[in-house]
Amino acid sequence: QVQLVQSGAEVKKPGASVKVSCKASGYTFTSYDINWVRQATGQGLEWMGWMNPNSGNTGYAQKFQGRVTMTRNTSISTAYMELSSLRSEDTAVYYCARVKGYDILTGYHNYFDYWGQGTLVTVSS
Amino acid sequence: QSALTQPPSVSGSPGQSVTISCTGTSSDVGSYNRVSWYQQPPGTAPKLMIYEVSNRPSGVPDRFSGSKSGNTASLTISGLQAEDEADYYCSSYTSSSTYVFGTGTKVTVL
Repeated sequence: QVQLVQSGAEVKKPGASVKVSCKASGYTFTSYDINWVRQATGQGLEWMGWMNPNSGNTGYAQKFQGRVTMTRNTSISTAYMELSSLRSEDTAVYYCARVKGYDILTGYHNYFDYWGQGTLVTVSS
Repeated sequence: QSALTQPPSVSGSPGQSVTISCTGTSSDVGSYNRVSWYQQPPGTAPKLMIYEVSNRPSGVPDRFSGSKSGNTASLTISGLQAEDEADYYCSSYTSSSTYVFGTGTKVTVL
């Protein structure tokens, strides 16, 4: 069965960086994009960006350009999201989610079909 | 990219139907049939309920249905059940090759 398992909760000081991991299993890691979505307490979902594990190509929401980096290690089927220059407003649960994207046989599939369990990142002095 | 607009809350009695709207622009909802809906009970990760406007993944009850007209998509829950109480979010792919989520709707079963 498809699973995305994320790393544990983090507490960081303002100005620091955080790196969250997302380990995939139950499918071919390089066949689906990994996206990152965050949710502040009591707030809605906010899309941060995507990464293609096969090519390493990425695309980030304009809001996070220059502060976010999405990478992967294909040998262990794990994706990473690093956010730098943290501020209190970055306190949120961060989710990874799988997206098929473009399939040469079946066309475009732009929806998040499996999600990780979420990682709480708290930014506090 | 502004969030898609959803009503903050909707409610209904068990067995009734409720509909949640999701209004975007010609650059997102109106551009493609790539609208999806997610259910999020408190303290849990979102779960895919509808994809590509009106398709249900395996295991999602057929009480859940989706549609779209112009720049507005809708999710209807027929035969409302207590277990349907949750937050619901729409999402759309955009002409900028990004994704945008809705503001979220809390569904309450009376």
